[in-house]
Amino acid sequence: AQSVTQLDSQVPVFEEAPVELRCNYSSSVSVYLFWYVQYPNQGLQLLLKYLSGSTLVKGINGFEAEFNKSQTSFHLRKPSVHISDTAEYFCAVRDTGGFKTIFGAGTRLFVKA
Amino acid sequence: DAGITQSPRHKVTETGTPVTLRCHQTENHRYMYWYRQDPGHGLRLIHYSYGVKDTDKGEVSDGYSVSRSKTEDFLLTLESATSSQTSVYFCAISEIDTGELFFGEGSRLTVL
Repeated sequence: AQSVTQLDSQVPVFEEAPVELRCNYSSSVSVYLFWYVQYPNQGLQLLLKYLSGSTLVKGINGFEAEFNKSQTSFHLRKPSVHISDTAEYFCAVRDTGGFKTIFGAGTRLFVKA
Repeated sequence: DAGITQSPRHKVTETGTPVTLRCHQTENHRYMYWYRQDPGHGLRLIHYSYGVKDTDKGEVSDGYSVSRSKTEDFLLTLESATSSQTSVYFCAISEIDTGELFFGEGSRLTVL
């Protein structure tokens, strides 16, 4: 069975500082990996995804993530955050041959002025 | 934005009453999902559908049933609501080759 662990429930950071949100997954088969973002009182939208190919994936709003198969990780990074990046971020995994996407518990990013 | 509509958006009900949440899509996507979102748990999959009348259980299916009689509609039913089912419910759709989920705006259910 798949599972996703987001290692930080909350991450406070000052504006213009770099940030890394950590995600580890477990699966016995090949996977697709995703990061979704949820702004306050909104639904979720896709930030970026890894399906195959280059392990460094770039997404919207300046975010990027790196797939590390040996460490079963998919950490999300941004070199300089803005106040508007304050949101909850979810890491998710799906088997390449499956239908179900499993989510982590989420990481709340607080960007302070 | 993907054409996904959830109804009702907000509902307050009493323990023991039946509740049905509806998800309607205009994208003709084959796959539809129901998730619940709770603090500290992220999103947990309740049920999903991979075609008309084809459904399967997710991680937290106890106390929930689903039906899909048309491509565009996916219904989630709580036969007898309990306080533990107070949550925000999200519908999502997908085409399997892209892997991306498109989410509705959520339905907030409070069971008193």
